[in-house]
Amino acid sequence: DAGVIQSPRHEVTEMGQEVTLRCKPISGHDYLFWYRQTMMRGLELLIYFNNNVPIDDSGMPEDRFSAKMPNASFSTLKIQPSEPRDSAVYFCASSLASGPPEAFFGQGTRLTVV
Amino acid sequence: DAKTTQPPSMDCAEGRAANLPCNHSTISGNEYVYWYRQIHSQGPQYIIHGLKNNETNEMASLIITEDRKSSTLILPHATLRDTAVYYCIVRYRGGSQGNLIFGKGTKLSVKP
Repeated sequence: DAGVIQSPRHEVTEMGQEVTLRCKPISGHDYLFWYRQTMMRGLELLIYFNNNVPIDDSGMPEDRFSAKMPNASFSTLKIQPSEPRDSAVYFCASSLASGPPEAFFGQGTRLTVV
Repeated sequence: DAKTTQPPSMDCAEGRAANLPCNHSTISGNEYVYWYRQIHSQGPQYIIHGLKNNETNEMASLIITEDRKSSTLILPHATLRDTAVYYCIVRYRGGSQGNLIFGKGTKLSVKP
């Protein structure tokens, strides 16, 4: 398996535009996590899914953020409208409820909102 | 999730053992201790986990105190590539896994 795949790796957008980040988890994993990392706040858990169902979205900063997992092999994190304070690195991770206990992380998407 | 406390930074000489402490005094009986690290600009990487017994793998050793209120991650022969932020996390395993919450971690600098 190629691991968790995120796209794009870098995104620069103007304030007010819609941004969509994509994640392909490891095949067979049943948990998917979205994180945001900034210098000020470190790694923050935004939302996680179990078997494609959102379990806890209490970390989503506000209504401008939404996440979906339409099937077991794809998830999106959307920001609409984007703001400069959304600039961060966004990580996706997946894990298996049984078997190896570790969560595997993607390489992240570096988002810059100007 | 139980909270963890780690020193913000540590230095280690290349080739020496790096011992990274973590306090988790409120850990519950069915919570595991996990260690991850994050090398600059990369996604976090799993290192090791344990419940109450000491554990060792090809990357590191994990020593958990008998009362489970603290643990130590040991990198036996640190190299420059081990320079990273190390995170100690406690969480349930299996079933309802719950959140994987990262604190501030320990920034380990391995020096030549």
